[in-house]
Amino acid sequence: DAMVIQNPRYQVTQFGKPVTLSCSQTLNHNVMYWYQQKSSQAPKLLFHYYDKDFNNEADTPDNFQSRRPNTSFCFLDIRSPGLGDAAMYLCATSRDLESGGQPQHFGDGTRLSIL
Amino acid sequence: GQNIDQPTEMTATEGAIVQINCTYQTSGFNGLFWYQQHAGEAPTFLSYNVLDGLEEKGRFSSFLSRSKGYSYLLLKELQMKDSASYLCAVLDSNYQLIWGAGTKLIIKP
Repeated sequence: DAMVIQNPRYQVTQFGKPVTLSCSQTLNHNVMYWYQQKSSQAPKLLFHYYDKDFNNEADTPDNFQSRRPNTSFCFLDIRSPGLGDAAMYLCATSRDLESGGQPQHFGDGTRLSIL
Repeated sequence: GQNIDQPTEMTATEGAIVQINCTYQTSGFNGLFWYQQHAGEAPTFLSYNVLDGLEEKGRFSSFLSRSKGYSYLLLKELQMKDSASYLCAVLDSNYQLIWGAGTKLIIKP
């Protein structure tokens, strides 16, 4: 089945130790998103790619970086994780930015814990 | 600023009907989505409204009034598996999805 796959489901890292989360999609969608979601809060958009065009949200910390080497893959790099970065990280895709009635498709998420 | 308001938590009984409300103030409007999110899992798409009125999909229906900046999600014949958070999200004029914090729905037997 076509889908959005995130690895790993659970990631534990040490305070200040760089970590990379990955996302792949078989939907051939143009847009890929990274969200951060903390308990009982709305998903917070960190950035998105439209094809290779990178769009950073104004309030996304510099500590967060992203790479999209090809249509199928997108990575979230956290350079120096702090305790406040512990959260669920959601990857999503959509066919286009002007999605009309097309929903975003989410992966299962990666839950990041910081020791 | 942009804002989506939903009740934080609701409780309902198995087999009953529940209505989850959402009000929004956004820069433009290009549609409203409802997503279901079980604890520790990703959101899954439930419905999309862009025109005023009611959209029915099985046990779930979603209503939109653009003039009032208001939507609701109606869940009928509630089942225990419907216990989840329900998130309202609006596509603004820049086609950015503005999310509500979600309504946690607790179903009791």
